[in-house]
Amino acid sequence: SQQGEEDPQALSIQEGENATMNCSYKTSINNLQWYRQNSGRGLVHLILIRSNEREKHSGRLRVTLDTSKKSSSLLITASRAADTASYFCATEEDSSYKLIFGSGTRLLVRP
Amino acid sequence: DTEVTQTPKHLVMGMTNKKSLKCEQHMGHRAMYWYKQKAKKPPELMFVYSYEKLSINESVPSRFSPECPNSSLLNLHLHALQPEDSALYLCASSAAEGRYNEQFFGPGTRLTVL
Repeated sequence: SQQGEEDPQALSIQEGENATMNCSYKTSINNLQWYRQNSGRGLVHLILIRSNEREKHSGRLRVTLDTSKKSSSLLITASRAADTASYFCATEEDSSYKLIFGSGTRLLVRP
Repeated sequence: DTEVTQTPKHLVMGMTNKKSLKCEQHMGHRAMYWYKQKAKKPPELMFVYSYEKLSINESVPSRFSPECPNSSLLNLHLHALQPEDSALYLCASSAAEGRYNEQFFGPGTRLTVL
């Protein structure tokens, strides 16, 4: 089952620009995680934000979480061509500890 | 070693074949997962093993049969698959089943059922 939606579905930006992706979810969660997937390969964990946290940073990544709106955003600053990938949010359900993935955003960073 | 390995990378099989996918990790993780991912879709959870015991089966058809021989290995046995089972099969592991555990993914096996 899919937890929620991400938008935009696809995003094309110039190298150096910032990229913002949004994620909405439906149920009560323990935490929300962001993963990156390069074309048809495995997923790489980027960052985890707990349900009692509002913002978290890791390098060029900034994640926010608004549990009242059941939404999160991922900001990638100063994007690089190597950031081209699909990005998925994943929520860890409060009741089951399962990770449920959002629909994903395909990011293209043009050199 | 922070790697999850999966073999084979690609697999083509007929509907009457029996094959197995293998997954291995040496991070001492006690939870292992199988996901199925169709093109341009998110991964969908199939099975969770926790301390070598099946913890979650997401109502997966019996033609998919998981096995966890030991804490480092996870297999997915395939039998009498359908063409719609063609997908990328991803294995993942985490320190334990439970809260706040990031999952480490393997590169996947791309399965084609003819």
